[in-house]
Amino acid sequence: ILNVEQSPQSLHVQEGDSTNFTCSFPSSNFYALHWYRWETAKSPEALFVMTLNGDEKKKGRISATLNTKEGYSYLYIKGSQPEDSATYLCARLRSSSNYKLTFGKGTLLTVNP
Amino acid sequence: SAVISQKPSRDICQRGTSLTIQCQVDSQVTMMFWYRQQPGQSLTLIATANQGSEATYESGFVIDKFPISRPNLTFSTLTVSNMSPEDSSIYLCSVEFGGVSGANVLTFGAGSRLTVL
Repeated sequence: ILNVEQSPQSLHVQEGDSTNFTCSFPSSNFYALHWYRWETAKSPEALFVMTLNGDEKKKGRISATLNTKEGYSYLYIKGSQPEDSATYLCARLRSSSNYKLTFGKGTLLTVNP
Repeated sequence: SAVISQKPSRDICQRGTSLTIQCQVDSQVTMMFWYRQQPGQSLTLIATANQGSEATYESGFVIDKFPISRPNLTFSTLTVSNMSPEDSSIYLCSVEFGGVSGANVLTFGAGSRLTVL
């Protein structure tokens, strides 16, 4: 994998469903992985920064895992709510010496009431 | 965390014209970043705006097309010059700021959605 890839591109779930999506990235020269949530007409908002293989982070109903050896991260949302509807972006930090991120195209989540 | 005000929030522009986007931060920050998201594409870094020196551009972006100013530690502008329909995008400014669990993350403005006819 040369770039950051996210799947699926979009997802529709019913309120109360749990869901998850994937971020894949080059496993070599890994420094950090970021997850952001971007609601329509708002600013992207940071969810997690993950740096260590096996990391698990949690924020309310949202959690994320990281596998740096195989180059993937999963984002999980438990009991989805309509307010979870947003685009979820992951981004890979390019190096430790500057602050440049390479983003995936995002997963657009729509939670139907 | 930092609060970023970005304007305009949206605009419709004619081909061949130029538009300047402004970004104001409520704290002094060393680096400010300008990103672009074209339809269906990833957020892509255009350049890093440095106070007191020229901006640093990423591969594929040039100063003549995207001139940047950074007059002080709280303000920056990005100009999209001689626009074509391919420049229709969301443009976001961002800063690095401590936030999530002590790790530095990007804080973004709300974006400027440009449509070029």
